[in-house]
Amino acid sequence: EVQLVESGGGLVTPGGSLRLSCAASGFTFSSYSMNWVRQAPGKGLEWVSSISSRSRDIDYADSVKGRFTISRDNAKNSLYLEMSSLGVDDTAVYYCARDRLRWQLWGQGTLVTVSS
Amino acid sequence: DIQMTQSPSSLSASVGDRVTITCRASQGISTSLSWYQQKPGQAPKLLLYGASTLESGVPSRFSGSGSGTDFTLTITSLQPEDFATYYCQQFYLTPYTFGQGTKLEIK
Repeated sequence: EVQLVESGGGLVTPGGSLRLSCAASGFTFSSYSMNWVRQAPGKGLEWVSSISSRSRDIDYADSVKGRFTISRDNAKNSLYLEMSSLGVDDTAVYYCARDRLRWQLWGQGTLVTVSS
Repeated sequence: DIQMTQSPSSLSASVGDRVTITCRASQGISTSLSWYQQKPGQAPKLLLYGASTLESGVPSRFSGSGSGTDFTLTITSLQPEDFATYYCQQFYLTPYTFGQGTKLEIK
């Protein structure tokens, strides 16, 4: 089955760190750019970061630049988001999505809650 | 950054109605635009990409048009399963900004 499954979310205190993972299956992961998108509770969608198929091109939203790091391991069919210096505004469901211009495949999301 | 402005923010309609949602970009983005549908507790679902290309498996009552700065999503003959929130997203430049969403509710 073609799917993306996020994991790693949870409750973290302000200033803390967390690593999200996105496991891909059913397709050739190494052929696709990948993305992270987040959605704060009751709010709209916000693009977070993108990485090209071989990790040559990486982009971040200004809101996370310098705090978040996107990476991938094509041998493990996995995408990662390393998050540090987390603040309450980072509380959201984090989704991974496949491809550069046609995001037809999304994971179910993982909830990150930043609270003391 | 390219700002994406959707209108209306919310919309009430009945089953069988035709509705149109608009999305305006703060600068020209050619046809680098996608439309998504999102239901509560679910991930967004891609409806159209390239402004007007229907994603595989999406009913033909959904259509999109536009280029440059002005885009529309039209749903003809609304079905009960269409009541959801709709988002546009530009892919012309990073950050890949989304519109604020349009919540389509049952009248």
